[in-house]
Amino acid sequence: GQNIDQPTEMTATEGAIVQINCTYQTSGFNGLFWYQQHAGEAPTFLSYNVLDGLEEKGRFSSFLSRSKGYSYLLLKELQMKDSASYLCAVMDSNYQLIWGAGTKLIIKP
Amino acid sequence: IAGITQAPTSQILAAGRRMTLRCTQDMRHNAMYWYRQDLGLGLRLIHYSNTAGTTGKGEVPDGYSVSRANTDDFPLTLASAVPSQTSVYFCASSDTQVSGANVLTFGAGSRLTVL
Repeated sequence: GQNIDQPTEMTATEGAIVQINCTYQTSGFNGLFWYQQHAGEAPTFLSYNVLDGLEEKGRFSSFLSRSKGYSYLLLKELQMKDSASYLCAVMDSNYQLIWGAGTKLIIKP
Repeated sequence: IAGITQAPTSQILAAGRRMTLRCTQDMRHNAMYWYRQDLGLGLRLIHYSNTAGTTGKGEVPDGYSVSRANTDDFPLTLASAVPSQTSVYFCASSDTQVSGANVLTFGAGSRLTVL
């Protein structure tokens, strides 16, 4: 079956760096997405990786290793507003999105 | 403001009742989707539509139906609601369905409780 694994919850300190991991086993691969979802709100797009390597976008970076079925989202200079759930999703060979359950990130002052 | 509008925001429904969740987008996206989100689970696709006039079944379609009469609207109907359909429902759209960089835009969600 298809599976996306990410930690359920993580805690970090304001101003610090945190890395949220995502491992996947899917039927084919057509890209990996990260979305941010604040409590009670809609998910919003953060990043897309289809080739191996690191994609940097401001304070957020996303890394992909297709051979290892692994990605991470790196958040730098954490701010209180970064408290949210982070959803990892993989597009399979049928172009269907398979979603992880999300990682709830708690930022402490 | 461009985006997706969902209604109602929240609804409590008696089991056995019929319910339609409305979804309208003004971005002229060709693909639209309905997901449900339950605690501890990833988003699960209920139904989708690649373009107006066509629909398809997702991962959890049973008990739900959709229609796509035009580009903008994609209502989701529960013919006879059951408690297991208690969930938060998200409508989403994208500019193209068969593409690697298929970025979804989500509506604000509809919280449905079936008693």
